[in-house]
Amino acid sequence: EAQVTQNPRYLITVTGKKLTVTCSQNMNHEYMSWYRQDPGLGLRQIYYSMNVEVTDKGDVPEGYKVSRKEKRNFPLILESPSPNQTSLYFCASSLIGGYTFGSGTRLTVV
Amino acid sequence: AQSVTQPDIHITVSEGASLELRCNYSYGATPYLFWYVQSPGQGLQLLLKYFSGDTLVQGIKGFEAEFKRSQSSFNLRKPSVHWSDAAEYFCAAPRSQGNSNYQLIWGAGTKLIIKP
Repeated sequence: EAQVTQNPRYLITVTGKKLTVTCSQNMNHEYMSWYRQDPGLGLRQIYYSMNVEVTDKGDVPEGYKVSRKEKRNFPLILESPSPNQTSLYFCASSLIGGYTFGSGTRLTVV
Repeated sequence: AQSVTQPDIHITVSEGASLELRCNYSYGATPYLFWYVQSPGQGLQLLLKYFSGDTLVQGIKGFEAEFKRSQSSFNLRKPSVHWSDAAEYFCAAPRSQGNSNYQLIWGAGTKLIIKP
């Protein structure tokens, strides 16, 4: 089944403790992206990648890192999480024609 | 700047009634256009897309959308809604610069509430 898999689905962590949210797709898509979704602010793009070793900032990249060492994986790294990064995170991959989204990761930073 | 506008934050319809969700875009040229649905606790799912050609596009779950260049609109419709259609709906279009076929601008979303 074609899908984007994110892990974990839920995560509660403390301020400053590094964490990684994994994202993997099995569709051989070149393009992948991370979004965060907050009430009243809609979907905001964090980072995206057009291909292996090619990443670029989205609209809200501060406090996040990404890497794209293989086509299928696009992890999101929070080096020092802060409470304002509490959010619902989505990974997506795409060919031209629409995105396939993961099920989301609900992150709470206390 | 390019923009995608969904004028309605919430819409309430009765089960079995027809539905129309509005989406307006500002673009110089005909854009690609998308509708996505987000059910509670889920990720977003592509409902339908318009690239070119026939302006009436059929999607999954019985939805359709019509591209109207003169009105800069791409409204989503369904003739008879079911309780399972309760969700948030997002309209999207590519950004104009860079790798525009991949980078999307998103509407703010319309939450659909179904009355029994």
